[in-house]
Amino acid sequence: NAGVMQNPRHLVRRRGQEARLRCSPMKGHSHVYWYRQLPEEGLKFMVYLQKENIIDESGMPKERFSAEFPKEGPSILRIQQVVRGDSAAYFCASSPDLDRVGNEQFFGPGTRLTVL
Amino acid sequence: DAKTTQPNSMESNEEEPVHLPCNHSTISGTDYIHWYRQLPSQGPEYVIHGLTSNVNNRMASLAIAEDRKSSTLILHRATLRDAAVYYCILKPGTNAGKSTFGDGTTLTVKP
Repeated sequence: NAGVMQNPRHLVRRRGQEARLRCSPMKGHSHVYWYRQLPEEGLKFMVYLQKENIIDESGMPKERFSAEFPKEGPSILRIQQVVRGDSAAYFCASSPDLDRVGNEQFFGPGTRLTVL
Repeated sequence: DAKTTQPNSMESNEEEPVHLPCNHSTISGTDYIHWYRQLPSQGPEYVIHGLTSNVNNRMASLAIAEDRKSSTLILHRATLRDAAVYYCILKPGTNAGKSTFGDGTTLTVKP
């Protein structure tokens, strides 16, 4: 059973360009989470999605950032008009059935975004 | 989300047990205690979780205080590969929801 997959693993963008980060959850997982980790800092929650729905986006910046998890295909975190402050590691996690209490989250290896 | 407090850093010698403490005095009755760790340049990795009773798995043990206001992650024999940042997190048991990571404890293992 493959784990959570993220691509690309490293992404370099110039200021003003768009960044698209992809996350394929573990097989059978319908819940996806995105976290951001700035250099030398802890992980900060960004958004929680279930297939085709955004459940909690309380950690998403109000502008330039969006996320989706379509019925088919990976979850996408999109950052428009990137700025240097967006340089960070972006981690995706997935979890199984909502009804199972104490759900652990399974994290991917992350995408390291560098904005020049 | 209820808050957790952990020491910033701890050191251990290889092959010795390590006890990583976590205080969570505002824990609610339905919060589960989760531990994750993050090795350098990797994503976080689930370690263990529990509600009231002590828990054991192949990676570690979790000792939960009777009043649930604190817990301790126990690595029985630290190895160099256990050097990581360890996060103690409280999660409601009723939904999958986000995890709120604090600063964690940076564990250094000396050979």
